[in-house]
Amino acid sequence: KQEVTQIPAALSVPEGENLVLNCSFTDSAIYNLQWFRQDPGKGLTSLLLIQSSQREQTSGRLNASLDKSSGRSTLYIAASQPGDSATYLCAVRPRNAGNMLTFGGGTRLMVKP
Amino acid sequence: GAVVSQHPSRVICKSGTSVKIECRSLDFQATTMFWYRQFPKQSLMLMATSNEGSKATYEQGVEKDKFLINHASLTLSTLTVTSAHPEDSSFYICSATRGRATNYGYTFGSGTRLTVV
Repeated sequence: KQEVTQIPAALSVPEGENLVLNCSFTDSAIYNLQWFRQDPGKGLTSLLLIQSSQREQTSGRLNASLDKSSGRSTLYIAASQPGDSATYLCAVRPRNAGNMLTFGGGTRLMVKP
Repeated sequence: GAVVSQHPSRVICKSGTSVKIECRSLDFQATTMFWYRQFPKQSLMLMATSNEGSKATYEQGVEKDKFLINHASLTLSTLTVTSAHPEDSSFYICSATRGRATNYGYTFGSGTRLTVV
């Protein structure tokens, strides 16, 4: 059974810092991995989608990498801003689970002004 | 593209009544939609998978008679919480993916905060 773990569970940094959020998964048989952002009381916003054949994806200050063989993904946020404060979730789409996503527990990020 | 609209965003209902939540894919056809429940400061818990034109598949421990799911078209799925009780108060989120292709990501609705009083 696929398990997804995110470390750290919570992170507080001063504004301007570059930071890395980690996601690991136990079964490398995945179609893709997706990073989401969730603000309090809101739904999920998709940030980046990495297919299993890709190594990384970039969008603005965000860069996500994928090392499928080692079961790891990282989300790099450059020059963090207070507006980046949110919970970040990674999710994998396993090859043996139809259309179902498997989520990590999330990392709660706070960027202090 | 790939927008999912979820309504209502908030609802307060009396214990014993039923509440319907709608999830619409606005610019794509979604043969499969998913319904999640989220408790405070926890990750999403999958409740059921909704397939267009067929019965929903419920996760273990989710009462299908309490949480009725209907997916009558390729753009609309509804979740009805029947005979709601205070313990059903939670944040409910739907998601959808385009067709059956495995290279598409998932799009989520904005969620519905249900409070049963």
